[in-house]
Amino acid sequence: EVQLVESGGGLVQPGRSLRLSCAASRFTFDKYAMHWVRQAPGKGLEWVSSISWNSGSIAYADSVKGRFTISRDNAKNSLYLQMNSLRAEDTAFYFCAKDMAAAATSANDYWGQGTLVTVSS
Amino acid sequence: QSALTQPASVSGSPGQSITISCTGTSSDVGGYNYVSWYQQHPGKAPKLMIYEVTYRPSGISNRFSGSKSGNTASLTISGLQAEDEADYYCSSYTSTSTVLFGGGTKLTVL
Repeated sequence: EVQLVESGGGLVQPGRSLRLSCAASRFTFDKYAMHWVRQAPGKGLEWVSSISWNSGSIAYADSVKGRFTISRDNAKNSLYLQMNSLRAEDTAFYFCAKDMAAAATSANDYWGQGTLVTVSS
Repeated sequence: QSALTQPASVSGSPGQSITISCTGTSSDVGGYNYVSWYQQHPGKAPKLMIYEVTYRPSGISNRFSGSKSGNTASLTISGLQAEDEADYYCSSYTSTSTVLFGGGTKLTVL
């Protein structure tokens, strides 16, 4: 069974940075696009960013563009999200999710359990 | 990037059928067959129920079906069961190569 394990969440002050990681296993990581999706406590899902299989295509939600950077290391089967200039409204559970396709156009068939990021002074 | 529009809540009795709508624009739902539906139980990660408008992943009951007409996609659950009670989200690929989610619909099985 596909496994996605997020790490790196925690409590951070506004304006500071945090780097999330997602360790993937039990599938051929370098054949699929990957996504970050977040969910504020008690709220709905919000897509954050996606990256194609070879990092050739990257997209961001307007709410994080210019502050967050998605990347992947196919040799390490890992996905990352560098989050800078964090704001209180970035507080959420952050999920790593696998796309069904190499390009980030299809559905997310596997999800991690999420890591909580809390932005507060 | 406004969220896709879903009803906040729907309800039905066991055995009945319900339909959840998801309305977007010609730049997302209406322009691509990349509409997906997710089920989320409290405290759990989302689970893919329908992809590319009408397809069910392996292991998903055929009680779940998807469709699309114009800028509105729909998820229908037939033969409602207690375990279907959850939050449901639609999502769509968009013309700017981003993804939009709906606001979510809380399904209550009476």
